[in-house]
This record gives sequence, C-alpha cells and structure tokens, in this order.
Amino acid sequence: NAGVTQTPKFQVLKTGQSMTLQCAQDMNHNSMYWYRQDPGMGLRLIYYSASEGTTDKGEVPNGYNVSRLNKREFSLRLESAAPSQTSVYFCASSGTPTNNEQFFGPGTRLTVL
Amino acid sequence: GDSVTQMEGPVTLSEEAFLTINCTYTATGYPSLFWYVQYPGEGLQLLLKATKADDKGSNKGFEATYRKETTSFHLEKGSVQVSDSAVYFCALSGPSYSSASKIIFGSGTRLSIRP
Repeated sequence: NAGVTQTPKFQVLKTGQSMTLQCAQDMNHNSMYWYRQDPGMGLRLIYYSASEGTTDKGEVPNGYNVSRLNKREFSLRLESAAPSQTSVYFCASSGTPTNNEQFFGPGTRLTVL
Repeated sequence: GDSVTQMEGPVTLSEEAFLTINCTYTATGYPSLFWYVQYPGEGLQLLLKATKADDKGSNKGFEATYRKETTSFHLEKGSVQVSDSAVYFCALSGPSYSSASKIIFGSGTRLSIRP
C-alpha cells in the first residue's frame, strides 16, 4: 500500500499562474483533507471532503478550490497564485468519524514568486 | 472555538535526557487527543493518541496521559535519542466534527537531540 500520495513534490510559480495539486489514497478512506503548513503556525485546514461528492471549507479557504474526483482522489487548485500562498501543502485522509486518525502524504513545497 | 496550545521550541536536549513537551487544550465536550511527529522532509505521522479522560497513549517510548481536570496532554519520554529529533504536534479532534474527523493542531515544537 502506498498510503497517501501527492504530486508534485516541489513547484515554483509566478504570481498569477494557476496549478493543481493532486492527492490520492489507497486505504478506501471516506474523508480527505488539504492543509497548509507555515513556520510557527502549525497546520491549517484549507478544505475537506467528508465523503465522496461533498466538500467543505476549512479555516483558510480563500484563493483555493477543491475537487473530490472520486473516493480515492482529492485535488487542490490555485486559480491565481499569490506570494502569500507560498507554503508546504499536505493532503490527509481518514476512515470514519469513530476512527479519527488522519494519515498524511509527504507534502508539496510550493513557492510563488 | 476549540484550540491547542503547546510549548514553544526549539527544545534542545542531550541524548538520554528526559523529555517533556507541554500541551493544553480548550474544547467543548470530550475530544480525542493526539501527538503527531514530523521528521525532516516528511509528512506528519501519528505517534500516539488517547480518546477519553485518564487514558494513557504510548508508542516508541513516548507517553502522554489525557488529563481532563487540567485539560492537558503532555508528551514525555524517559531517555531521548538522536533519532527523536523532529517536530512534534499536539492535536485534538472533537465530537462536534461529526461529518469528518477534523483535527485542530498546535503550532508544533521542534526537538533537537545532541549526541
């Protein structure tokens, strides 16, 4: 089992460019999440998907969109990148609300110039 | 709203020293509590968890006890190793997050162990 995979690992964008971060899990989990990690601020939830076909905003959704393509895949899109979106992005998944451990991918390091 | 506060780092210790990283929380109801660890260049992985008051989570020599009376979940290890150098995150997941297991993370504590 690969667990949670993310692509790409690194990306450099210019201000105003767009891109999509991909995430996939092979654990048959219902819920998936996107976080950003900034120095000294821990992880902040951007969007989450409780189950296939649903998505909800987290703590910091502005400037992002998501798509739950199917049960395995959950993508994060930046339509017009800004320097403030320079961060490390993590995708995670979890099975059910009663088993609330989240499993994380290795992260995508994004720099916006 | 719910929140987690953990001691600021960085924390630097010598090998075989005793480790404590403090964590307190604010939450409604009875949350589950977690410690996650992040090794350099990697994603977070669950270190241990506790789901109710007085539970003790343990793994790899680390322990933490869910103290409802003091709303704390301090991480301890009796003898640290160089390989324990990482960033440690305290976190909670509340019962109000019924549609998904949303987790609230603390800001993280960077631990460095000197040989």
